[in-house]
Amino acid sequence: VQMVESGGALVEPGGSLRLSCAASGFTFVDAWMSWVRQSPGKGLEWVGRMKSKRSGGTIEYAAPVKGRFTISRDDSKNTLYLQMNSLKTEDTAIYYCTWHETVNLYFDHWGQGGLVTVSA
Amino acid sequence: EIVLTQSPGTLSLSPGERATLSCRASQSVTSNNLAWYQQKPGQAPRLLINGAFTRARGIPDRFSGRGSGTDFTLTISRLESEDFAVYYCQQYGDSPLTFGQGTKVEFK
Repeated sequence: VQMVESGGALVEPGGSLRLSCAASGFTFVDAWMSWVRQSPGKGLEWVGRMKSKRSGGTIEYAAPVKGRFTISRDDSKNTLYLQMNSLKTEDTAIYYCTWHETVNLYFDHWGQGGLVTVSA
Repeated sequence: EIVLTQSPGTLSLSPGERATLSCRASQSVTSNNLAWYQQKPGQAPRLLINGAFTRARGIPDRFSGRGSGTDFTLTISRLESEDFAVYYCQQYGDSPLTFGQGTKVEFK
């Protein structure tokens, strides 16, 4: 199992960025996926979750990002995305792509993380 | 939102000692859907325990979880050098999914 995040960068407040997560080693089309972030020196915060399309493709977001962030997936490319708009300094964090191996929403598998820095 | 409070913030112990970490929820965790993770510097977290007491694949049996309702505990029976890290609890019984703030287990 491997998940590799890419797209992390330095962006100004109010800007946009898209993270990608390339997955391998499991059946991505059936996978429930989440994004989790960790601010520098801080704890962990769930960002949002997307079910597999077979399970309805339902997406849920944490309150701090709802309306600004969008999770999507391309099952033909085994890739999960996180589109981040109207970025704030408090969005600065390492963003981890995670796979829920079962329908239970603990985080079985994690990518290595991608760093997003929001600063002027 | 279920708030998870972990204690202590830091635990200073020596190899071979027993570590007991606490996670208290602001309300009952549905179906005891509580997990524990270990995180080392510069690494992603690693799942240790799910369902309050079920060890994840490959996790040594010196790690054990117990508890129900609002009070949960992670115990490391005999600390080994690789166990010094930060530990987080997480509830997945209700949305939003939430984490505790972490307990750091450090060398005494």
